[in-house]
Amino acid sequence: AQSVTQPDIHITVSEGASLELRCNYSYGATPYLFWYVQSPGQGLQLLLKYFSGDTLVQGIKGFEAEFKRSQSSFNLRKPSVHWSDAAEYFCAVGAGTGNQFYFGTGTSLTVIP
Amino acid sequence: ETGVTQSPTHLIKTRGQQVTLRCSSQSGHNTVSWYQQALGQGPQFIFQYYREEENGRGNFPPRFSGLQFPNYSSELNVNALELDDSALYLCASSLVGKVTGELFFGEGSRLTVL
Repeated sequence: AQSVTQPDIHITVSEGASLELRCNYSYGATPYLFWYVQSPGQGLQLLLKYFSGDTLVQGIKGFEAEFKRSQSSFNLRKPSVHWSDAAEYFCAVGAGTGNQFYFGTGTSLTVIP
Repeated sequence: ETGVTQSPTHLIKTRGQQVTLRCSSQSGHNTVSWYQQALGQGPQFIFQYYREEENGRGNFPPRFSGLQFPNYSSELNVNALELDDSALYLCASSLVGKVTGELFFGEGSRLTVL
């Protein structure tokens, strides 16, 4: 069965510092991987996705993620965090021919001045 | 382009009652998926509707049911409410029913069951 683990429940970073949010997935075949962001009172917004090809994918708002099959990971990174990046971040995996997304429990990001 | 809209935004019910949540999909999208997000958890797939029929269901009991209308809008109905049904219910529309299709989420309906 598919599953997603986000080991970090909460992360605090200083504005301007780099950021890495971890995501590990469990799926037998090549997964479809996603990162979503949820700001308070908002729905989820897609940051980026990986289907195939180049394992380093670029997304919106300066985010990128790297797919590492050997580690079953899809970590999200940003070189310099802005205060507006404070939000909840969810990693999700979709199974090949299915229509269901499996989400992790999320990582809450706090940005301090 | 109109995004995904959900109503009501907040509601309070008591155990045993029934609730109906509504969702208008993004313009041009023919598929609607519903997710339940409990406090501190990630969204969990309830079911998906495509062409007015259920097109996949997660691990939720039959008292969770839905409808999709010809204009692609959708309803989520929950009967015999339980305390554990308290959650944010997210509707997401997409152009494609498969996971390769990007989901566009509404802001959710927050249900509190007392």
